[in-house]
Amino acid sequence: GENVEQHPSTLSVQEGDSAVIKCTYSDSASNYFPWYKQELGKGPQLIIDIRSNVGEKKDQRIAVTLNKTAKHFSLHITETQPEDSAVYFCAASSSSNSGYALNFGKGTSLLVT
Amino acid sequence: DTAVSQTPKYLVTQMGNDKSIKCEQNLGHDTMYWYKQDSKKFLKIMFSYNNKELIINETVPNRFSPKSPDKAHLNLHINSLELGDSAVYFCASSQDESPLHFGNGTRLTVT
Repeated sequence: GENVEQHPSTLSVQEGDSAVIKCTYSDSASNYFPWYKQELGKGPQLIIDIRSNVGEKKDQRIAVTLNKTAKHFSLHITETQPEDSAVYFCAASSSSNSGYALNFGKGTSLLVT
Repeated sequence: DTAVSQTPKYLVTQMGNDKSIKCEQNLGHDTMYWYKQDSKKFLKIMFSYNNKELIINETVPNRFSPKSPDKAHLNLHINSLELGDSAVYFCASSQDESPLHFGNGTRLTVT
């Protein structure tokens, strides 16, 4: 099955700096790559996603890049703010008769001070 | 106007008991899921139902039995609870190729 590796596990940045989180996946059939933000006591919330036919996507301060050949994708947050502090998860899935069950990375705890 | 709601939010119980967690979504999605998040924050899928039909059943003890009375509900029943079942359980839903929407979780503590 799909194996998603995520690095780093913790990341501390100063307000205004950029943060980058990287993920790799193993299943070449994976074609959907979302990123989720989880705040304390809440469920994961989608912040951005990318599909395999696109190399980069941007939404204000957040961007995601995908390299299908290398099987890795990254989340970039620019001009970080204290409210960006949370746990971030990458995920990968492939469309199939099984729906879009996501395989998650182990999460990155981001602290913006 | 909560999209995916689960109850209860907290559940504390003793080993050996049987408990249920309920989940409802008002998004009109066809597919619902249960995920387990352990103490290290790792999220792992347990079950997936599409239109009340089980389509994913990962390696989960058969003490866990999901039940979907209709496509808007997916409940999780757990028999003979064990200490290792302590975790946060998340319900989620999706439609076709739309992203997963998660509930806010149920923190289960088994003592």
